Amino acid sequence: GAVVSQHPSWVICKSGTSVKIECRSLDFQATTMFWYRQFPKQSLMLMATSNEGSKATYEQGVEKDKFLINHASLTLSTLTVTSAHPEDSSFYICSARWWEGYNEQFFGPGTRLTVL
Amino acid sequence: KQEVTQIPAALSVPEGENLVLNCSFTDSAIYNLQWFRQDPGKGLTSLLLIQSSQREQTSGRLNASLDKSSGRSTLYIAASQPGDSATYLCAPGNTNAGKSTFGDGTTLTVKP
Repeated sequence: GAVVSQHPSWVICKSGTSVKIECRSLDFQATTMFWYRQFPKQSLMLMATSNEGSKATYEQGVEKDKFLINHASLTLSTLTVTSAHPEDSSFYICSARWWEGYNEQFFGPGTRLTVL
Repeated sequence: KQEVTQIPAALSVPEGENLVLNCSFTDSAIYNLQWFRQDPGKGLTSLLLIQSSQREQTSGRLNASLDKSSGRSTLYIAASQPGDSATYLCAPGNTNAGKSTFGDGTTLTVKP
């Protein structure tokens, strides 16, 4: 159990376009999902906390208008990178929290975004 | 702000050795601590979760300990195998909201 999927696994886009990444909890309901980005040979940096039915909470320095997060259901959160630029190229990983109180995070396989 | 340090940054050992990975964190007011494994270009696999009230957790050849007051956790890997080669990340969780801070990881190479 506790499987989290991401789609797509990799995407290449042109500068200026928007890209949507989906994060799904396949066998459990996740009231909270998290979005991270990871640059090569660096650790994960939390971008935002996504709660079902409410606005996402963004970490300091993360542009909320550029990285749009929607958590429309208990099993799906989406991250849209708007007007992508080459510096947005990165590995984006989502995680879902099992349930309130237990607080264990399960991670998706990640999405490799390359902006040309 | 929580800061997490993992030592060593890289480790190369022959197969069969027992080894210890270290994690230290500056804010001891944590809710839990998770150890993850990450293979190159892949997502994270949860290895062990230690709640703040616990001292250690074991899973197979892995044992993780937690000393919250001193801000330290260790991951012990027994009888290492080439398949254990990966980057190991520790992530203390500071609030009930589940936000975790990640260290830079220890990259482990186990040579056959």
